[in-house]
Amino acid sequence: SAVISQKPSRDICQRGTSLTIQCQVDSQVTMMFWYRQQPGQSLTLIATANQGSEATYESGFVIDKFPISRPNLTFSTLTVSNMSPEDSSIYLCSVDLNRGYNEQFFGPGTRLTVL
Amino acid sequence: DQQVKQNSPSLSVQEGRISILNCDYTNSMFDYFLWYKKYPAEGPTFLISISSIKDKNEDGRFTVFLNKSAKHLSLHIVPSQPGDSAVYFCASTSGGAQKLVFGQGTRLTINP
Repeated sequence: SAVISQKPSRDICQRGTSLTIQCQVDSQVTMMFWYRQQPGQSLTLIATANQGSEATYESGFVIDKFPISRPNLTFSTLTVSNMSPEDSSIYLCSVDLNRGYNEQFFGPGTRLTVL
Repeated sequence: DQQVKQNSPSLSVQEGRISILNCDYTNSMFDYFLWYKKYPAEGPTFLISISSIKDKNEDGRFTVFLNKSAKHLSLHIVPSQPGDSAVYFCASTSGGAQKLVFGQGTRLTINP
């Protein structure tokens, strides 16, 4: 498996502001993913972040709202921009260790509350 | 369009008995299925998976069954232990796409 950390673990933000979430992995990985879990909902993929290329966003998510950086093989950031209360969610990063089994390993998540 | 559904939001089982969690999917292209366990304030932890070429996979107390014709999978936990109390998510993917589609989760409570 992999050890994945996220910062911050939680935050309370004012509407209209932005928050950048960091994800650090203890090994080099090609594919990293960002998910959102809204209250009482399932996990929804926001985007796939590969090092050296632009992130690929899922339907309903756009780069202006959720810009992603992937500067190297162990680190990624997700920014939630111009926040509204509807952005209150748990944001999780995950990695695929490329073992061919499709398992992804998740970080502990960032609980975001927007007032 | 909910492609993966867990119709039971919660399940309560007595310690030592069998826990059965169910999951249905609609996308015939899904060919790999996974179960994750999630404790509060933690990320999901991978539990067990199954490929569509199999109908059963077993790992210790955990067994996953896949019924492709019914587009249904289930997770059996025997015997259930208090530490199994968590939210369980099923997830599916297709064609090695790496994109996981999750169900809504089932909260399992094991009672002593």
